[in-house]
Amino acid sequence: DAGVTQSPTHLIKTRGQQVTLRCSPKSGHDTVSWYQQALGQGPQFIFQYYEEEERQRGNFPDRFSGHQFPNYSSELNVNALLLGDSALYLCASSFSDNNEKLFFGSGTQLSVL
Amino acid sequence: AQKVTQAQTEISVVEKEDVTLDCVYETRDTTYYLFWYKQPPSGELVFLIRRNSFDEQNEISGRYSWNFQKSTSSFNFTITASQVVDSAVYFCALSEAGFGNEKLTFGTGTRLTIIP
Repeated sequence: DAGVTQSPTHLIKTRGQQVTLRCSPKSGHDTVSWYQQALGQGPQFIFQYYEEEERQRGNFPDRFSGHQFPNYSSELNVNALLLGDSALYLCASSFSDNNEKLFFGSGTQLSVL
Repeated sequence: AQKVTQAQTEISVVEKEDVTLDCVYETRDTTYYLFWYKQPPSGELVFLIRRNSFDEQNEISGRYSWNFQKSTSSFNFTITASQVVDSAVYFCALSEAGFGNEKLTFGTGTRLTIIP
């Protein structure tokens, strides 16, 4: 049973570019959440997707957007990249009827130059 | 606003010693959940425990134990007889009960190194 998978594992972009990160949830899970983890910091909640809609959002600008597909996989898009967007982006999945804990992927390490 | 403070940035102990990781939280909610997650070098966070704000009983799971004290807003984590495999970054987190367990507020983490 595959866990949460994220792609790519590493990515290098330049300022002003746009990036798309992908996440496949654990089998049987229908909810996906995205977190940003800067170096030496704890993860910060970006947003959550359920039934293909954004249900909750953290304190992130509109440059951060997402999408959830009918198969529950999800994408995180970041436009107009800034140097400060360099971080580990973590995807987490859960099942809406039993969301006691999140299952996290290994993340995508984004470097903005 | 919610806040989680992990004052210990890094801890190193010799294998087989006991170690306690501290966590202090702030919230205006009366109902909330507290969590501990472990982040090994591979990057993914691994769930360790969830505790409801109404349940102040301490919990033990093998070498791990948790002490929840609402009076001091603390949720400390103790590893007994530490092992090298326990080396990781440990995060304490908080969620508001009304928002489910997806929107977590994390502390800055404690890097634990177990010296063989």
